[in-house]
Amino acid sequence: EAGVAQSPRYKIIEKRQSVAFWCNPISGHATLYWYQQILGQGPKLLIQFQNNGVVDDSQLPKDRFSAERLKGVDSTLKIQPAKLEDSAVYLCASSSSRGTYEQYFGPGTRLTVT
Amino acid sequence: GQNIDQPTEMTATEGAIVQINCTYQTSGFNGLFWYQQHAGEAPTFLSYNVLDGLEEKGRFSSFLSRSKGYSYLLLKELQMKDSASYLCAVRGLNSGNTPLVFGKGTRLSVIA
Repeated sequence: EAGVAQSPRYKIIEKRQSVAFWCNPISGHATLYWYQQILGQGPKLLIQFQNNGVVDDSQLPKDRFSAERLKGVDSTLKIQPAKLEDSAVYLCASSSSRGTYEQYFGPGTRLTVT
Repeated sequence: GQNIDQPTEMTATEGAIVQINCTYQTSGFNGLFWYQQHAGEAPTFLSYNVLDGLEEKGRFSSFLSRSKGYSYLLLKELQMKDSASYLCAVRGLNSGNTPLVFGKGTRLSVIA
């Protein structure tokens, strides 16, 4: 089965610019997560979707970050405007609604804000 | 709150055994995961423990003690390709699809 797809893989922008990331989860996975991973740290949850509804966005900086999953399949994460501290890898993960609920991660998008 | 602690770095010799420890404090508990992450790549699933005891999977084993808030990942017959970061993650609330809370990861270097 195909894994979690993300694009782009790399992005360099200047501070105050906007950027968007795309994620396509594993087919049939109802739950989708966006994590931010700063260099040398573990992933930190930004937002969780169950189908097209938001389950948890308590750690999403809503003044600049937004995310949507309109049709309950693929998702986009946007940052507007970007700050230097947003430089990180943005990981998308998905999980099914049975078993161990193991999360499968995509390759990530490495964002550099200059 | 939730807190997960693991050593920042470890070094071990090829062919040896290494144990990576993880301690956690969470609100509720619904499983502990270990992920492997090579530099520049996504985390990949290694193991899952929800009950106390040892889970063995080839060269990798993971142990859990819920009463002590403690887990370890044991890697046997170390190979150079095992050089990576190892992430301990806990699902804190008592439901299936609760997001994982990750530790900062332990960077393991395997030397000849």
